[in-house]
Amino acid sequence: DQQVKQNSPSLSVQEGRISILNCDYTNSMFDYFLWYKKYPAEGPTFLISISSIKDKNEDGRFTVFLNKSAKHLSLHIVPSQPGDSAVYFCAASARGTGFQKLVFGTGTRLLVSP
Amino acid sequence: DTEVTQTPKHLVMGMTNKKSLKCEQHMGHRAMYWYKQKAKKPPELMFVYSYEKLSINESVPSRFSPECPNSSLLNLHLHALQPEDSALYLCASSAKQGPTGGEYFGPGTRLTVT
Repeated sequence: DQQVKQNSPSLSVQEGRISILNCDYTNSMFDYFLWYKKYPAEGPTFLISISSIKDKNEDGRFTVFLNKSAKHLSLHIVPSQPGDSAVYFCAASARGTGFQKLVFGTGTRLLVSP
Repeated sequence: DTEVTQTPKHLVMGMTNKKSLKCEQHMGHRAMYWYKQKAKKPPELMFVYSYEKLSINESVPSRFSPECPNSSLLNLHLHALQPEDSALYLCASSAKQGPTGGEYFGPGTRLTVT
């Protein structure tokens, strides 16, 4: 039972354009969402997070949007750079119920070409 | 120093061997985690240590035995593993228990059980 889904295993974007990575979740108890980036041979690196009380959080080139009614979140990267090429994981947790584990999606491989 | 180190990078072991994975951080974090990641799957939480005490065990088989000798070190002792235990084992740490987004991941140990 995959509670966090990233239905696009890969995405190719040209440098300077917008990258949009999508994530869907099924557990309505999730109230905190995170995006991680993973380069080969490295551990995941935290990028940006959003609490369920917000619908948008922005940090530089990265913006996360949350649509609670649709149980959907997305990560926008503008402008995309070749160094953004990596695997991006969406993750969710239910902090409001005490510590709950992070549940990760399967990841989307982003390739930004010059 | 915002780094989590893991040794070894690669490990090949037989089903009768005993080996240990090591993880170290010097960020003063008081929560440390072990994750398991199979190929093309998301990371899955195995154990959480908070203030050197085991706080979460995600029903992991006893052939995996975690240990937290002090606040900077986390070990995972392996004994009588099965080939299906072959995976990338990720260590992470955070300032306190809970998916705050401040989880720092190590590069992982790639384990192969023959």
